[in-house]
Amino acid sequence: ETGVTQSPTHLIKTRGQQVTLRCSSQSGHNTVSWYQQALGQGPQFIFQYYREEENGRGNFPPRFSGLQFPNYSSELNVNALELDDSALYLCASSLVSREQYFGPGTRLTVT
Amino acid sequence: AQTVTQSQPEMSVQEAETVTLSCTYDTSESDYYLFWYKQPPSRQMILVIRQEAYKQQNATENRFSVNFQKAAKSFSLKISDSQLGDAAMYFCAYRRLQETSGSRLTFGEGTQLTVNP
Repeated sequence: ETGVTQSPTHLIKTRGQQVTLRCSSQSGHNTVSWYQQALGQGPQFIFQYYREEENGRGNFPPRFSGLQFPNYSSELNVNALELDDSALYLCASSLVSREQYFGPGTRLTVT
Repeated sequence: AQTVTQSQPEMSVQEAETVTLSCTYDTSESDYYLFWYKQPPSRQMILVIRQEAYKQQNATENRFSVNFQKAAKSFSLKISDSQLGDAAMYFCAYRRLQETSGSRLTFGEGTQLTVNP
């Protein structure tokens, strides 16, 4: 059974740029959630996708957007990057309303 | 809105000893889930233990057990026979039983556990 994978592991972007982070769900899971974890803090819920549609959103602006594909993989897109967007971005997959299994995260640094 | 509070930013324990990590939460719901996750330096969040609020019996997973006090909204994690591999950041998390808009986890700020040999 393949676990949750994320790419890239690290990346550095400049303020104002756009970034796309990718997540591959655990086999058989149909729900993907994204979290932002700032340094020294707990993860904050960004949004969740179920069957290719957004199914819940946290307190993040519209420049945070996402996609889920028919194979249940997912992307997180962030436009107009700000310095405060520097964080670890975690993806978690699950069956709907079941335990979430996390990937190793993508460390984003905005300079 | 639900909130989760972990009042111990750091804890330490001697190898083979027992340590308890504290967590309190605030919710108006009567049914929900509580979790403890472990995040080692590798950054991957690992589920340690889960508790359903409607179950009175405290959850146990090998050396890990919880003390769930629903009235007090307290959910502590006890690690027995601590091992060097237990060293990590531990997060308490809450999830509503039924979500109309996604099954989001609400996390606390975390407790950094150090295990001394």
